[in-house]
Amino acid sequence: NAGVTQTPKFQVLKTGQSMTLQCAQDMNHNSMYWYRQDPGMGLRLIYYSASEGTTDKGEVPNGYNVSRLNKREFSLRLESAAPSQTSVYFCATPRTSGNQETQYFGPGTRLLVL
Amino acid sequence: QKEVEQDPGPLSVPEGAIVSLNCTYSNSAFQYFMWYRQYSRKGPELLMYTYSSGNKEDGRFTAQVDKSSKYISLFIRDSQPSDSATYLCAKGGGSNYKLTFGKGTLLTVNP
Repeated sequence: NAGVTQTPKFQVLKTGQSMTLQCAQDMNHNSMYWYRQDPGMGLRLIYYSASEGTTDKGEVPNGYNVSRLNKREFSLRLESAAPSQTSVYFCATPRTSGNQETQYFGPGTRLLVL
Repeated sequence: QKEVEQDPGPLSVPEGAIVSLNCTYSNSAFQYFMWYRQYSRKGPELLMYTYSSGNKEDGRFTAQVDKSSKYISLFIRDSQPSDSATYLCAKGGGSNYKLTFGKGTLLTVNP
């Protein structure tokens, strides 16, 4: 039971290059989320998916696209990377235990755009 | 105004000190609150969860919620160097299990 896995762990891109960040969860929940974390800004929601085949914008969606491939996998794509997208990206999925509803996070992907 | 406001610090204390971390929120239309702890270069991990006003204690940690003043706090007693991390407050109750996070407070406990 790995929880939430993310690949790659670290990536360096040049401005204008594209890449896809991968996320997979084995917690069997319908919802998945992508966040970015920047110094002094906290966690900001980029996109989320309430169920397979559906996606919705979060707080900071510009410059990103997502794909909910199946119940387990939710990918985040940068079509033309910009230095402003240098950040740490986290994927998450809900964890419910009794009446508690929280989110369980992956280990993150550190992205540097030069 | 952001829905959850948190002083980003940083906060530096000596080992054994009592630490108080605080957040305020602006929207009453939600039900539960969390504190996450994030070590350097790791993902956030749930530390405390509460859905009612009052105190909830877990070992050296106490989460406090005051819904009348829209204030949430985390107290750490007998702080240890291993408590050095970023602490994020969050509120839930939104649609699709969405959470709203504060900016996080970086805490350093010095031996």
